[in-house]
Amino acid sequence: DAGVTQSPTHLIKTRGQHVTLRCSPISGHKSVSWYQQVLGQGPQFIFQYYEKEERGRGNFPDRFSARQFPNYSSELNVNALLLGDSALYLCASSLEGGHSGNTIYFGEGSWLTVV
Amino acid sequence: GQSLEQPSEVTAVEGAIVQINCTYQTSGFYGLSWYQQHDGGAPTFLSYNALDGLEETGRFSSFLSRSDSYGYLLLQELQMKDSASYFCAVTDSWGKLQFGSGTQVVVTP
Repeated sequence: DAGVTQSPTHLIKTRGQHVTLRCSPISGHKSVSWYQQVLGQGPQFIFQYYEKEERGRGNFPDRFSARQFPNYSSELNVNALLLGDSALYLCASSLEGGHSGNTIYFGEGSWLTVV
Repeated sequence: GQSLEQPSEVTAVEGAIVQINCTYQTSGFYGLSWYQQHDGGAPTFLSYNALDGLEETGRFSSFLSRSDSYGYLLLQELQMKDSASYFCAVTDSWGKLQFGSGTQVVVTP
């Protein structure tokens, strides 16, 4: 069975550019969350989507946006890239979005470097 | 404010036992999860506690005391492959994770 898949795995962008990161959850999972992990720190919550509705948003500027599609895949968009946006972007999927003993599965992430 | 505290690094020899403590101060607490992350890899789920007490999964065990806002991960019979970063994370009812800054475990021969 395929796990959480993310694309691209690595990318380099220039300051001011825009980036779109993609995530396909585990088959049957309806909840997708996005996290940003800067080197040496723990992942920071950006967004959570469940059944195509935004359920939560972390403390990130409006340059960050996301959406979930009818097939439960998701995109994370970041506009006007800054050097500080360089990080590993992780997508996580879970069955229902609640953590009633469900495990939350992470993809391998997308490494974004902004130069 | 919301915060999770865990030690930054722990070093131990193969075969030893390591305990990683985690104290938290958050709102909307539902449970405490533990994740392992090797360099360049994704976080991998290890254990989860929603109720007070000990959960055992093979060589790894996790403990939670909700009244003390405290938990720990116990790694037994340490192996070289256990060298990694370990994160505690508070989960809210919607499955949103708030992570600590991570503990680097270094296993030496």
